[in-house]
Amino acid sequence: EAGVAQSPRYKIIEKRQSVAFWCNPISGHATLYWYQQILGQGPKLLIQFQNNGVVDDSQLPKDRFSAERLKGVDSTLKIQPAKLEDSAVYLCASSLGGAGTSYEQFFGPGTRLTVL
Amino acid sequence: GIQVEQSPPDLILQEGANSTLRCNFSDSVNNLQWFHQNPWGQLINLFYIPSGTKQNGRLSATTVATERYSLLYISSSQTTDSGVYFCAAAGGYSSASKIIFGSGTRLSIRP
Repeated sequence: EAGVAQSPRYKIIEKRQSVAFWCNPISGHATLYWYQQILGQGPKLLIQFQNNGVVDDSQLPKDRFSAERLKGVDSTLKIQPAKLEDSAVYLCASSLGGAGTSYEQFFGPGTRLTVL
Repeated sequence: GIQVEQSPPDLILQEGANSTLRCNFSDSVNNLQWFHQNPWGQLINLFYIPSGTKQNGRLSATTVATERYSLLYISSSQTTDSGVYFCAAAGGYSSASKIIFGSGTRLSIRP
């Protein structure tokens, strides 16, 4: 079974530029998550989707970050404009989700973003 | 929301030693996972263990949900066990419950 796929793996941009990350979850997983992991810290949830609806985006900086999950499968996370403090690894995860199913999350390899 | 605390923050051991990592959480949980983050940043699933005990080779985990803690045991440590170990938990009784990560335990195994 294929795991969670993410691209690109690395990205270097100048501040005030825009950037987009892509995630393809495990087939059949209804719930998709985007996390931000700053060096030396644990991952922080940015947004959680159940199918193509947003369940939690309370920690998403909505003035510059946006995310969508069209058709309830793939998802993109965008930053516009980027700031120096956005330098981090962006992790995508998925789980089966839904009542009566496992909540176990599986993570992709992440995208390492450097903002100069 | 739920609070997740891990201890110790750092652990340095000789190869062959045993170790115990602890995760305390502040509320009832419907999801409790242990991960190993390797040097390339990949989060590897170790255990999904909201309650009970599980074992996988040299690793085992126990979650005592009523006392709100989980333990990860690593026996006969190898240098490849080095890395950061995270505990993550979600409270409540809904798949919509937000999962919170602890700050991790950095394990270094010396040859």
